[in-house]
Amino acid sequence: DVVLTQSPLSLPVTLGQPASISCRSSQSLVHSDGNMYLNWFQQRPGQSPRRLIYKVSNRDSGVPDRFSGSGSGTDFTLKISRVEAEDVGVYFCMQVSQWPLTFGGGTKVEIK
Amino acid sequence: EVQLVESGGGLVQPGRSLRLSCKASGFSFGDSGMNWVRQPPGKGLEWVGFIRSKAYGGTTEYAASVKGRFTISRDDTENIVSLQMDGLKAEDTALYYCATGVNVDYWGQGTLVTVSS
Repeated sequence: DVVLTQSPLSLPVTLGQPASISCRSSQSLVHSDGNMYLNWFQQRPGQSPRRLIYKVSNRDSGVPDRFSGSGSGTDFTLKISRVEAEDVGVYFCMQVSQWPLTFGGGTKVEIK
Repeated sequence: EVQLVESGGGLVQPGRSLRLSCKASGFSFGDSGMNWVRQPPGKGLEWVGFIRSKAYGGTTEYAASVKGRFTISRDDTENIVSLQMDGLKAEDTALYYCATGVNVDYWGQGTLVTVSS
């Protein structure tokens, strides 16, 4: 199974400052079709997860452009260019390149 | 607008069974694969299983932790995906979500399953 390791576990950030979350995979996420299927989700307190990014770097509709995803092979990153109060929550990466699908352990973003 | 409404959760004793349902609307359900994902209280997310659309055989995939105990099925006439959970264990206690598509696009609000004597 693909193991996704996120870091840091907790990320205190000052409002307006950037934030970066790492997701490292135990195996290459290159699918047989040549794409890499790595998603990022945001889970605000008391809410269901919401997908922000799919296929490494594609932003979902309605997601602010301060969120960006990048990476290749086994190393992936979610960046928030300027953290806002509404960004507080837990962020998860997830690979859908191979079965079984797996999630990272999550990174909690909080305001300093 | 995509809507997913889970139901069927509750308190159940270890070893017993429970059936969850997810009613979908706002998209072409019959053309979509569907997932179940769970989240133990205060913990992270665990993918449970997936069912393909009928066009792809309606076949299923499961996490090792539930394989042989859980069964996913679908009713395309009612736009419902179900999760039959047998032989429940305390570690199955979680909020259970359904989510659309192999890329896990949209999520419901979840239904809570508590396995305890």
